[in-house]
Amino acid sequence: QSALTQPASVSGSPGQSITISCTGTSDDIGDYNYVSWYQQHPGKAPKLLIYDVTNRPSGVSNRFSGSKSGNTASLTISGLQAEDEADYYCSSYTGSITLIFGGGTKLTVL
Amino acid sequence: QLRLQESGPGLVKPSETLSLTCSVSGDSFSTSSYYWACIRQAPGKGLEWIGTMYSSGSSYYNPSLKSRVSISLDTSEKQFSLKLSSVTAADTAVYYCAISALGNFDAFDLWGQGTLVTVSS
Repeated sequence: QSALTQPASVSGSPGQSITISCTGTSDDIGDYNYVSWYQQHPGKAPKLLIYDVTNRPSGVSNRFSGSKSGNTASLTISGLQAEDEADYYCSSYTGSITLIFGGGTKLTVL
Repeated sequence: QLRLQESGPGLVKPSETLSLTCSVSGDSFSTSSYYWACIRQAPGKGLEWIGTMYSSGSSYYNPSLKSRVSISLDTSEKQFSLKLSSVTAADTAVYYCAISALGNFDAFDLWGQGTLVTVSS
């Protein structure tokens, strides 16, 4: 199984909104609403931001939102803050009862 | 508050078996309907799913690792274990344990801090 496709990097200024895409296939993102997003700061464990495409776990800021269209899922961060600078990973359930991650996107806050 | 802690060897020789144990602590922990997973991250690389075990005992593995991986669960001890056999340098990574208390196969809301395992002679 190949990794989901994410842009290697994105950037934005404080207060702006950015969107990170995550492209899969009809065997994963396209066929299931089981997409999650994680934030990872250097040297730290990943933190769950979004699950089931659009749901936020308790305690996660509403500045983070998720969506999906066809085989592509997206994470939008609004009101960008300095502490949002991190790596972001998407994941999806697949039809083979497996889990696949994206390659990761480095967010730089200018 | 729940906490997840990995314990592992740090250094494993090529061709040997990597063994990792993950322990959960916290008064509110209940093992029912949880997915327990192992995920790794090679230095400077992205996340790679290794495998998942459901509380019922059903297990699911990454096809690329399936022939070498085994995950077992001991709910009475609140811990699960990973064994990865015939390791090579390509298995050098930070290994994470993660749990989905949400009850989702794919969404892990509790993570350990990770443990670096280096494969070298």
